[in-house]
Amino acid sequence: QQQVKQSPQSLIVQKGGISIINCAYENTAFDYFPWYQQFPGKGPALLIAIRPDVSEKKEGRFTISFNKSAKQFSLHIMDSQPGDSATYFCAASSGRDNQGGKLIFGQGTELSVKP
Amino acid sequence: KAGVTQTPRYLIKTRGQQVTLSCSPISGHRSVSWYQQTPGQGLQFLFEYFSETQRNKGNFPGRFSGRQFSNSRSEMNVSTLELGDSALYLCASSSAPTGGTDTQYFGPGTRLTVL
Repeated sequence: QQQVKQSPQSLIVQKGGISIINCAYENTAFDYFPWYQQFPGKGPALLIAIRPDVSEKKEGRFTISFNKSAKQFSLHIMDSQPGDSATYFCAASSGRDNQGGKLIFGQGTELSVKP
Repeated sequence: KAGVTQTPRYLIKTRGQQVTLSCSPISGHRSVSWYQQTPGQGLQFLFEYFSETQRNKGNFPGRFSGRQFSNSRSEMNVSTLELGDSALYLCASSSAPTGGTDTQYFGPGTRLTVL
């Protein structure tokens, strides 16, 4: 019940295209859903995050879509650029019972944007 | 503000030895979480410390332990190292309000290789 399932495992997109990464969860206590971007040799960096009281959040070229009833959320990268080539992780946590410091991560998606 | 810092960045140990990794959180952050990242298992939560107390614990054996000091700096220790402990160890800090969730900011990690 603590799992977060992420797909696809890898993704190749042409420059200017839309990259879409999907995640699904089971634990309905989760109330915080961040996406992290990780470059080789670096730690994960927060990209964008959403809470279940909204269905969509947009920051620049990055949009999170959230479907509470389906227990799914996705990351859309518009106008994908070669500089976006990285590994992307979805994650979830619950503020209940002081569990907020425990992030459960998806398995990651390796995105490659071709020029 | 300075980011999360981790020392050392790279470490090579042999089986049976023990190792201590250090993490300095962002100034003002009282929560420090530790994660293990491997190609096979992805990012897995080890434990979280808040105000010098372990607040959450993941599913790792007792060989993995940690502590937090009064200045919020944290250390994790792995005793009796095994080959499978080779991984990138990441720490993350957050302001972590009680009963809630907040953004976790990651350090660059410590790459541990066990020979």
